[in-house]
This record gives sequence, structure tokens and C-alpha cells, in this order.
Amino acid sequence: QSVLTQPPSASGTPGQRVTISCSGSSSNIGSNTVNWYQQLPGTAPKLLIYSNNQRPSGVPDRFSGSKSGTSASLAISGLQSEDEADYYCAVWDDSLTGWVFGGGTKLTVL
Amino acid sequence: QVQLQQSGPGLVKPSQTLSLTCAISGDSVSSNSAAWNWIRQSPSRGLEWLGRTYYRSKTYNEYAVSVKSRISINPDTSKNQFSLQLKSVTPEDTAVYYCARGGTLAVPGFDPWGQGTLVTVSS
Repeated sequence: QSVLTQPPSASGTPGQRVTISCSGSSSNIGSNTVNWYQQLPGTAPKLLIYSNNQRPSGVPDRFSGSKSGTSASLAISGLQSEDEADYYCAVWDDSLTGWVFGGGTKLTVL
Repeated sequence: QVQLQQSGPGLVKPSQTLSLTCAISGDSVSSNSAAWNWIRQSPSRGLEWLGRTYYRSKTYNEYAVSVKSRISINPDTSKNQFSLQLKSVTPEDTAVYYCARGGTLAVPGFDPWGQGTLVTVSS
């Protein structure tokens, strides 16, 4: 069981907007900033969003992040076929004194 | 740009020690702003952070509770790399192991990641 809870799957059609949620607690999301990762099949995870809502250079502005209380969300607008991947949230947990990940959400583009 | 290159065996026998190395280019293992992490991924456990080493006037190591009694992460400044040792492995330690920079105020996310090493624990 992951410390952070994500829906196991999400889907959308090209052009649609999809959101993926990440639920935690006061010792992790409630206290620290959230990062999001995209993992394409057979590759290492790639940083998609850091510090709740910041995009690294090269990440399209179709990807956005937000946080409220002990939950965070990743939104993908203008969905494209190449967005089909697994998405993970991650945050530092003060109680565990370590990084924790969500269980991952598999995004399917229909 | 920063690149991480992993090396080490893909097969380890039960009860033995898993050893992997991550060579750094484009940054320094002695950086005062970065941290150097090991993370693993398996179907049963998902992504799991194992620990990190970082330098702030001296070397610090932090380890996940789940592996704290068995793990050691060490920097090698002469080769600009860091290593992972996980003792007394069992089949449950079978996973893809990644090294990654980051998880600090200056580098908040894990970026970049190494290419990953599939380590199978089997006799």
C-alpha cells in the first residue's frame, strides 16, 4: 500500500482535459511540495512538475499541477497520444523522513 | 547537462549483497546543493525511495525505514560517483534500481535519472 493514493487508471480522448489526483496526509502533502513524474513504457521516470506547479524546461504547458491541503492534482489539457504513460506523484514525508511515491496512474488515450 | 550512468550485476544470489554504482557527469557528488538518490521499482512495491547521500560541509546519508538495517550509500569523490550496497537480499529485493539526482531545495525533483538496472535475486 502506497503512502500516497492515486487512481490506478485514467483515460481520455485526444484534445480532452484529464486530471489525476494524489491524496496524502498532513505529514507529507500537507507540509511539503509535490512533484510529478511521467514514465513511458520501458524507460526511467521523467520529472514533469516540481514544487507543486513548476514545469522543468522542455515540458509543454499542457501539463499543470496544483495542491490544496493534503491533496494534489496533475492536469493534462489538449490530450495527445504520446501522453499515454504512467504518472506518479512524490513528496517528502516528515514522519517517515523519506520520499514517498503514489502507486501510479496509467493514462490511456482512447 | 547532468547525466547518470549505472553499472553493476543484474543477478544476485539470496543472502548476498547487491552492489550498484552510479557515475555522474555534468555535476559533482560533492555538490553543496544536490543530493544523490537510489530508487527502485517493482510490480509489487511500485516506486520506492531507498536513500540518499549529500554533502553539506560533510557527508550525510539518509535511508528509508524499510531498508535502513541493510543499506549503505557511499560517495566516491575520486571517481565522481556514488554506490548502493544492499545486504542480505531476498527475492523481494528483485526490482529495477535507479539512481537520481535531486530532492533538495535547489533541485526539488528527481532529475535526471539513471537508465535503470534490473536486479534479479535468485539462486
